[in-house]
Amino acid sequence: NAGVTQTPKFQVLKTGQSMTLQCAQDMNHNSMYWYRQDPGMGLRLIYYSASEGTTDKGEVPNGYNVSRLNKREFSLRLESAAPSQTSVYFCASSEGPTGGQNEQFFGPGTRLTVL
Amino acid sequence: QKEVEQNSGPLSVPEGAIASLNCTYSDRVSQSFFWYRQYSGKSPELIMSIYSNGDKEDGRFTAQLNKASQYVSLLIRDSQPSDSATYLCAVARDSNYQLIWGAGTKLIIKP
Repeated sequence: NAGVTQTPKFQVLKTGQSMTLQCAQDMNHNSMYWYRQDPGMGLRLIYYSASEGTTDKGEVPNGYNVSRLNKREFSLRLESAAPSQTSVYFCASSEGPTGGQNEQFFGPGTRLTVL
Repeated sequence: QKEVEQNSGPLSVPEGAIASLNCTYSDRVSQSFFWYRQYSGKSPELIMSIYSNGDKEDGRFTAQLNKASQYVSLLIRDSQPSDSATYLCAVARDSNYQLIWGAGTKLIIKP
């Protein structure tokens, strides 16, 4: 099992460009999450999907959109990138409410720089 | 007041000693508590979860939860240089999918 995979690993964008970060999990988890991590600020939730077909905003959703394509895949889109979106982006998944607990498992991350 | 607070460190501990990491949280209804380890440049890795008051041991790691005082701690016995990392505390509220994260404590194990 690969667990949680993310593509790409690194990306450099110019201000105003768009891109989509891809995430997939093979653990048959119901819930998936997108976080960003900035130095000294810990992990901040951007969006999450409690189950297939649902998405909800997290703490810092502005400037992002998400799509839960199916149970396995959850993508994050930056429509018009800004330098403030320079960060490391992590995707995570968990069993969700039917699993009883909320242990989250992370992908390797995408390091995004916006110039 | 942050919802989940950790001392940012760095916490320096001699090899072979016990490392003690602490986390306090503000929401009394929190139900689930997690410790993650994050090596520099890598993603967070779950090392312990705890759901009820008391101690939970897993190898060299012990998580301690005190809901009345609203803190959770992680003890690492026989610390090794490979334990050098940032340790993140995360807290989940009942029936809420979201984890609230502390900013992490950087731990350095000195040989």
